[in-house]
Amino acid sequence: KAGVTQTPRYLIKTRGQQVTLSCSPISGHRSVSWYQQTPGQGLQFLFEYFSETQRNKGNFPGRFSGRQFSNSRSEMNVSTLELGDSALYLCASSLAISGTSTDTQYFGPGTRLTVL
Amino acid sequence: AQSVTQLDSQVPVFEEAPVELRCNYSSSVSVYLFWYVQYPNQGLQLLLKYLSGSTLVKGINGFEAEFNKSQTSFHLRKPSVHISDTAEYFCAVSGNQAGTALIFGKGTTLSVSS
Repeated sequence: KAGVTQTPRYLIKTRGQQVTLSCSPISGHRSVSWYQQTPGQGLQFLFEYFSETQRNKGNFPGRFSGRQFSNSRSEMNVSTLELGDSALYLCASSLAISGTSTDTQYFGPGTRLTVL
Repeated sequence: AQSVTQLDSQVPVFEEAPVELRCNYSSSVSVYLFWYVQYPNQGLQLLLKYLSGSTLVKGINGFEAEFNKSQTSFHLRKPSVHISDTAEYFCAVSGNQAGTALIFGKGTTLSVSS
C-alpha cells in the first residue's frame, strides 16, 4: 500500500507570495493532519481534517488555512508569506474509524518551504 | 493542556552499547504516548505507542519503552544500538478524543559511532 505522499517536496517563494501544499493520504484513511517543523519551535500542530471538516486547529495565524476533499486528499495554503514561514511541512493520515485518537498517524516525507 | 519534555537534546553512544532516551510528560487527563523517529530528509515513523494495559511497550527495530504514571515518564530504550539507529527521536502525547493533536517534544538526536 502506498504511503502518504506530499507535493511538491521542495518549494522556494518570496515574501508576500502565497503557496499551496498538497497531501494524499494512505488509501482508506479519512483523517489528515498538518504539522510545521522548524529548528526553533520543533513540531507544531496546524490543523486536522476529517470528512472534509476541520475538527481541530492549532495556534497559527489566519494566513494558514486548509481544506480536505471528498477523496480525503488535503491541501494547505499559506498567504502573504513571511520569512518565518520557512519550515518543513508534514502531513499525516490515519484511519480515524475508532472515534478516538488511538489510530496511528502515518507521516509523509514533508514539503520543504523556503521563503526568501 | 499537555506538554512533553525530552531531557536530552543529544545522546552520543558507541555501537552495540545500550541507550535510553528520556521523556517526561505533563497532562491533567489520560493521554496516549508515542515515540517517533525521523531520519534525515524523511518524515516521521512510529516506533511504538502506549494506549493502555501493560506499561512495557515493545516497538520496531528492537526499541521498547516503559510508561511510568507516577513519574509521568515514557523513556525509550534499546539494549544494543547500531549505526543505522542514528536519527532524531521524538516523544509525543495526545489526548484521547478524535482529532486531537500530537504534542511533540523538542527531539533527541541519537548519534551512534563505531
